[in-house]
Amino acid sequence: GAVVSQHPSWVICKSGTSVKIECRSLDFQATTMFWYRQFPKQSLMLMATSNEGSKATYEQGVEKDKFLINHASLTLSTLTVTSAHPEDSSFYICSAMDSEAFFGQGTRLTVV
Amino acid sequence: DAKTTQPPSMDCAEGRAANLPCNHSTISGNEYVYWYRQIHSQGPQYIIHGLKNNETNEMASLIITEDRKSSTLILPHATLRDTAVYYCIVRPYNFNKFYFGSGTKLNVKP
Repeated sequence: GAVVSQHPSWVICKSGTSVKIECRSLDFQATTMFWYRQFPKQSLMLMATSNEGSKATYEQGVEKDKFLINHASLTLSTLTVTSAHPEDSSFYICSAMDSEAFFGQGTRLTVV
Repeated sequence: DAKTTQPPSMDCAEGRAANLPCNHSTISGNEYVYWYRQIHSQGPQYIIHGLKNNETNEMASLIITEDRKSSTLILPHATLRDTAVYYCIVRPYNFNKFYFGSGTKLNVKP
């Protein structure tokens, strides 16, 4: 099946700093990618839709100025968590559509 | 909003069939039933999907009731590596967003 890769797999950052997470579709082009967040023992929550060449659309309750999304090419979307705080610590997962939705392996963010 | 109901957890003996139920009583005519699973600390993995006919692939079988209000995912010979959270999702085929419910934690035991 199609491969979606995230980088990094885990990251630790200090409170107040920003961290960027990359999502790449390795063997197909994706005009649309999606970002999810998952807290421990909870399900995945859709945060936003990343659209190549245009602005991302955010789900209700997700702060667009805090979670910056850029989709500059057909194979790369980035999520930047700005001014991170400990409550932003979570598992962030991206997905992209080929024949079906394929998900990245996730990025574990810990803010200390 | 998730439109499915699944039991929170199930146990299955290794080598036996695992039958995971899902209720989707408000499913619309253009909505497909998808199944994904998530092994601990990994991204979700596609398993199978269907509209109204039963489907089978190398991983699993999907049985959808005639009224389409419920379905069952069948893993014919569960292994320890099948221990995961299984998500049942309904969505229109041309609608790319996935809204996840709480899923079923399948525990495969030796």
